[in-house]
Amino acid sequence: DTGVSQDPRHKITKRGQNVTFRCDPISEHNRLYWYRQTLGQGPEFLTYFQNEAQLEKSRLLSDRFSAERPKGSFSTLEIQRTEQGDSAMYLCASIMTGGETQYFGPGTRLLVL
Amino acid sequence: QKEVEQNSGPLSVPEGAIASLNCTYSDRGSQSFFWYRQYSGKSPELIMFIYSNGDKEDGRFTAQLNKASQYVSLLIRDSQPSDSATYLCAVKRGSTLGRLYFGRGTQLTVWP
Repeated sequence: DTGVSQDPRHKITKRGQNVTFRCDPISEHNRLYWYRQTLGQGPEFLTYFQNEAQLEKSRLLSDRFSAERPKGSFSTLEIQRTEQGDSAMYLCASIMTGGETQYFGPGTRLLVL
Repeated sequence: QKEVEQNSGPLSVPEGAIASLNCTYSDRGSQSFFWYRQYSGKSPELIMFIYSNGDKEDGRFTAQLNKASQYVSLLIRDSQPSDSATYLCAVKRGSTLGRLYFGRGTQLTVWP
């Protein structure tokens, strides 16, 4: 257990529904990353927060995706109008400023039917 | 050309042998290099990182970096069945805000 938690751990939804995932980083870590991992691939970067500021977004993050970190602590990732291609493991990682190592949470596995 | 390339394997070695995992990267400005282990259905866990040319040892694991060749490797000595997992190579580039670029991973099986 790295200290990064994610909720829910599993989510099954129907195509077209909206889903929201939550990540709670290690408390003193002010940098937070979201990645997506599909079967047989390595994680791919989605977005990055430093404190509450979203500083970088991948072009993988279509306008159906939105992420927030309102108080610089936990973060949420919302997917609107889900598609079957959104089925993946969504990973959150945190790191303190000046640190070298990103610590991953357990992930949220999404299945879109 | 992908940012980070790994042989997807699978790599199969007997218990007690040395497993050698390889990774190449495309951006010469890359700064830090990470090896993560991922068990099936689980999230990646860090094994070690390296940022200077040469070798870095941690227990049974040795990471090797050659920036001139843009090559990183991980050696696992005295391999154990519990080492059976997918090993992900990740790179942090100098021009980005710390995000990691991952290879697709190499699946390792250690048979008793």
